[in-house]
Amino acid sequence: EVQLVESGGGLAQPGGSLRLSCAASGFIFSRYEMNWVRQAPGKGLEWVSYISSSGSTMYYAESVKGRFTISRDDAKNSLSLQMNSLRAEDTAVYYCARVSSGDNYFDYWGQGALVTVSS
Amino acid sequence: QSGLTQPPSVSGAPGQRITISCTGSSSNIGAGYDVHWYQHLPGTAPKLLIYGNSNRPSGVPDRFSGSRSGTSPSLAITGLQAEDEGDYYCQSYDRSLSGWVFGGGTKLTVL
Repeated sequence: EVQLVESGGGLAQPGGSLRLSCAASGFIFSRYEMNWVRQAPGKGLEWVSYISSSGSTMYYAESVKGRFTISRDDAKNSLSLQMNSLRAEDTAVYYCARVSSGDNYFDYWGQGALVTVSS
Repeated sequence: QSGLTQPPSVSGAPGQRITISCTGSSSNIGAGYDVHWYQHLPGTAPKLLIYGNSNRPSGVPDRFSGSRSGTSPSLAITGLQAEDEGDYYCQSYDRSLSGWVFGGGTKLTVL
């Protein structure tokens, strides 16, 4: 059974940093492209970042470019999102999501991790 | 970041049929990229409902269907049930972003 479990959420101050992790199981993690998607309170889903299966290609939404860094550790079946220079508008539930092999939709999602940026 | 456009809300009585539209632009739906639909129920992870415009993953009831006429995709739900209440999102790839865009979400209320 495919499972994605996020961790690392919590409270951070504006300008601070936080690192999210996503533990993957039930599939060969190294073969799949992965993403982070977030949902701010009362808002819809927003794509945040993408990483290729090889880890060599990353893309970011304009709203986080230069502040967030996506990475993966295939030996640990883990996806990460390093979030720096956090802003109040980064407050959201962050989901990791797997891209279906050979396609461009997200076939599995984690339960999400809440990040709150507040002083 | 520009996204896709969906109606903010839709409602229907149990057993009825509803549809949700999704509008994009020339860099996503208009460029020919497929549209996918997700169901997001309160307190749960988003769930893939329809992929590739009209395909249902295994386990998704056939009450849910997706269609696309040119650049106008839509999601239909027939035989509405109380447990269908939640938010529904369309999604497509956007070549100008090298990433994905979502619709703003449509809140379904079963009366």
